[in-house]
Amino acid sequence: QSVLTQPPSVSGAPGQRITLSCTGGSSNIGAGYDVHWYQQLPGTAPKLLIFGNRNRPSGVPDRFSGSKSGASASLAISGLQAEDEADYYCQSYDSSLSGYVFGTGTKVTVL
Amino acid sequence: EVQLVESGGGLVQPGGSLRLSCAASGFSFSIYWMHWVRQAPGKGLVWVSRIKSDGSSTNYADSVQGRFTISRDNAKNTLYLQMNSLRAEDTAIYYCANLLQGYWGQGTLVTVSS
Repeated sequence: QSVLTQPPSVSGAPGQRITLSCTGGSSNIGAGYDVHWYQQLPGTAPKLLIFGNRNRPSGVPDRFSGSKSGASASLAISGLQAEDEADYYCQSYDSSLSGYVFGTGTKVTVL
Repeated sequence: EVQLVESGGGLVQPGGSLRLSCAASGFSFSIYWMHWVRQAPGKGLVWVSRIKSDGSSTNYADSVQGRFTISRDNAKNTLYLQMNSLRAEDTAIYYCANLLQGYWGQGTLVTVSS
């Protein structure tokens, strides 16, 4: 019962731009806590993709970009590639739970 | 090179106990909060617990509060998770992670079943 809601799946053609949403509430994203995004390829550990709402760790292509507005955040993937097929999770902190929370996850499919 | 290597997973009966370890290297383990995150088969990521850099403060998800205990040994660069009164719903891959820097281990599988 995650407090961060993501669409179960998003698909796009190679080269296309897609956007993944992450909707929270007043005790997490809306309270000003940072949002981070992870990519998880099948059978592997999650990999940090975006930290602090919009920052990319070194090595992450600039095709990935993050944004935050109010109680929601978004991850955009431009120039979609076959290797981008994975599960994507947003993550933040929740003050009412006094703990960290992950989104429900979005499976990205490249058509 | 940063490494987080979990161990201690396995098959345990309901009501049993297990202790997970996570050996860290390649970063300044002793100055960072460390976390445990789990993922049930085919399901999403769930945060489990965290511990402050010096071990003086801990937090737990409601689902494990009172049953799990997180601890660390900074002299050994090792993070622990003591899991008691295990239930079938605790079955998952358990990852240790430095969430601030984005470092994750490869995970260790815990299966609770009779």
